[in-house]
Amino acid sequence: DAGVIQSPRHEVTEMGQEVTLRCKPISGHNSLFWYRQTMMRGLELLIYFNNNVPIDDSGMPEDRFSAKMPNASFSTLKIQPSEPRDSAVYFCASSPPPPHGQGETQYFGPGTRLLVL
Amino acid sequence: GQQLNQSPQSMFIQEGEDVSMNCTSSSIFNTWLWYKQDPGEGPVLLIALYKAGELTSNGRLTAQFGITRKDSFLNISASIPSDVGIYFCAGHLGAQKLVFGQGTRLTINP
Repeated sequence: DAGVIQSPRHEVTEMGQEVTLRCKPISGHNSLFWYRQTMMRGLELLIYFNNNVPIDDSGMPEDRFSAKMPNASFSTLKIQPSEPRDSAVYFCASSPPPPHGQGETQYFGPGTRLLVL
Repeated sequence: GQQLNQSPQSMFIQEGEDVSMNCTSSSIFNTWLWYKQDPGEGPVLLIALYKAGELTSNGRLTAQFGITRKDSFLNISASIPSDVGIYFCAGHLGAQKLVFGQGTRLTINP
């Protein structure tokens, strides 16, 4: 079975440009999570969706960040405009519905390495 | 917010040695999980623990959910080169959110 798919794997952009990260969760999973990983702050939850509905976006840094999940098999995380401090690895994760879990067994994608110059 | 204290931050061991790492929290968690992250990849779930006192094994890995529900440990027996990576503990309280520890970086000398 395919795991969580993320694209692109690497992104280099200039400050001020729009960046869009994409995620395809594991088929049948109904929860999707976006994380950011940096050396300084570790793994931080940005936002998560349940059944395509955003549940908690309290981790989104600021208004420059937005996320959507138009259907069960696709989600985007957009940064506009991007800044150098947004440079990090962004992970998408998904988890199955009960009885296989309640969001705790999360499966991560390979991540997108973002560098904003 | 909730914090997980994971220790040690790094370990340098010889191949074949056993490894032990742990996580503690000031908060109670309903589920403890252990993940491993290889360079350039996302974290991979190793073990999930659902009950206080639970001891679970996955090959050479053994993890326990502390009785107080505020701690967990992970042991790796007879380490091999492919065990190298960063190990993260994570606690689940509810509302589908995980809290992650800072990670333990494992380096193995052949």
